[in-house]
Amino acid sequence: GDSVTQMEGPVTLSEEAFLTINCTYTATGYPSLFWYVQYPGEGLQLLLKATKADDKGSNKGFEATYRKETTSFHLEKGSVQVSDSAVYFCALRRGSGGSNYKLTFGKGTLLTVNP
Amino acid sequence: SQTIHQWPATLVQPVGSPLSLECTVEGTSNPNLYWYRQAAGRGLQLLFYSVGIGQISSEVPQNLSASRPQDRQFILSSKKLLLSDSGFYLCAWRTPTGTPNNEQFFGPGTRLTVL
Repeated sequence: GDSVTQMEGPVTLSEEAFLTINCTYTATGYPSLFWYVQYPGEGLQLLLKATKADDKGSNKGFEATYRKETTSFHLEKGSVQVSDSAVYFCALRRGSGGSNYKLTFGKGTLLTVNP
Repeated sequence: SQTIHQWPATLVQPVGSPLSLECTVEGTSNPNLYWYRQAAGRGLQLLFYSVGIGQISSEVPQNLSASRPQDRQFILSSKKLLLSDSGFYLCAWRTPTGTPNNEQFFGPGTRLTVL
């Protein structure tokens, strides 16, 4: 079945440091890939997505490129801020209807950015 | 614009007590609705999804049930809670199957602690 593997956290960085959170996936076909962010005490928000190979999703300074050859979708940001402290989830989706639409999530990576 | 509400925000219940969590969506019609659970140290797991009133599909066998009595209302229930039911419960919606831009949008979540 489908699965998503994220790097284990927690990740602690200083402000303005470079961030990489690794994500690899296992799925048949051509899934869409997502990064969601969960700020403290809140639900999930879609951060960025990519729907086909070599697509790059970007938002709020974060980027991730859909690499089919390595089945990866690593999240990067050049200079993190304290406000980026949150839990980040990588996810994939196959299909477009009913249960086939369901998102398969990784376990999440807690990022803490210190001033 | 569309909004999704969940309540209560937090809940502490004894083992063996009943449960009812509510999710409502505003600003859209005939949404697909989803219940996810985020257990401690684990990723998000899809519990139930619904494509219409009275239509519920269960993804995993468990102690919980779901109902959709109205188009934009999705309820998660249990007759007798277990310790293992503790977690963060997220409701999500998306536009109906076949419509464009059909990403999932998440509610703020309910944190359930079973003692």
